[in-house]
Amino acid sequence: AQKVTQAQTEISVVEKEDVTLDCVYETRDTTYYLFWYKQPPSGELVFLIRRNSFDEQNEISGRYSWNFQKSTSSFNFTITASQVVDSAVYFCALSEVTGNQFYFGTGTSLTVIP
Amino acid sequence: EPEVTQTPSHQVTQMGQEVILRCVPISNHLYFYWYRQILGQKVEFLVSFYNNEISEKSEIFDDQFSVERPDGSNFTLKIRSTKLEDSAMYFCASSAYPSGGNPRDTQYFGPGTRLTVL
Repeated sequence: AQKVTQAQTEISVVEKEDVTLDCVYETRDTTYYLFWYKQPPSGELVFLIRRNSFDEQNEISGRYSWNFQKSTSSFNFTITASQVVDSAVYFCALSEVTGNQFYFGTGTSLTVIP
Repeated sequence: EPEVTQTPSHQVTQMGQEVILRCVPISNHLYFYWYRQILGQKVEFLVSFYNNEISEKSEIFDDQFSVERPDGSNFTLKIRSTKLEDSAMYFCASSAYPSGGNPRDTQYFGPGTRLTVL
């Protein structure tokens, strides 16, 4: 069973539009961490945010914001006023207390059209 | 800002050959990981390493794979006899704290090594 599901495979938006990337996770642990990583065309994985399971407060960082809802097991990522440089594949990941690995979703490819 | 580095950026090899992928984790980090990403697919965990031994490995990490910390800075992944299906991007990551404890720390990823097996 998938531990992290990113149902949106590809999204295209026009520059300056807002876009939300969905992430749904599954775990039996009560303590866990959620992450978002950005993979630009150059291929590296860039850390964006970490959120622990006890902190449901939403976070905003510039044009980025994250909405964590335990009730729906979702950790969605919104980019406000998108820019061409936001074009990348975005991965949501889960880390559980019971193991060392990160479980990644299949990623959402975002294209921002100028 | 400290970062994880990986060499080479691209490795081309013939099927059946051995390859060694190298990583230099962030200097004060103690936990090291390898992941792979087959083109267009998700990032998959291979192995985690702490205190000179493997702490966890996935089903992908079979006898063809091995990891080593040969000195105080490098962390290597060896594939003994490469297969076509080993072609992928291989990411090294490191963290200051374990990802299997509390507090859990962020894994920082290197830029990856693209392995092409012909």
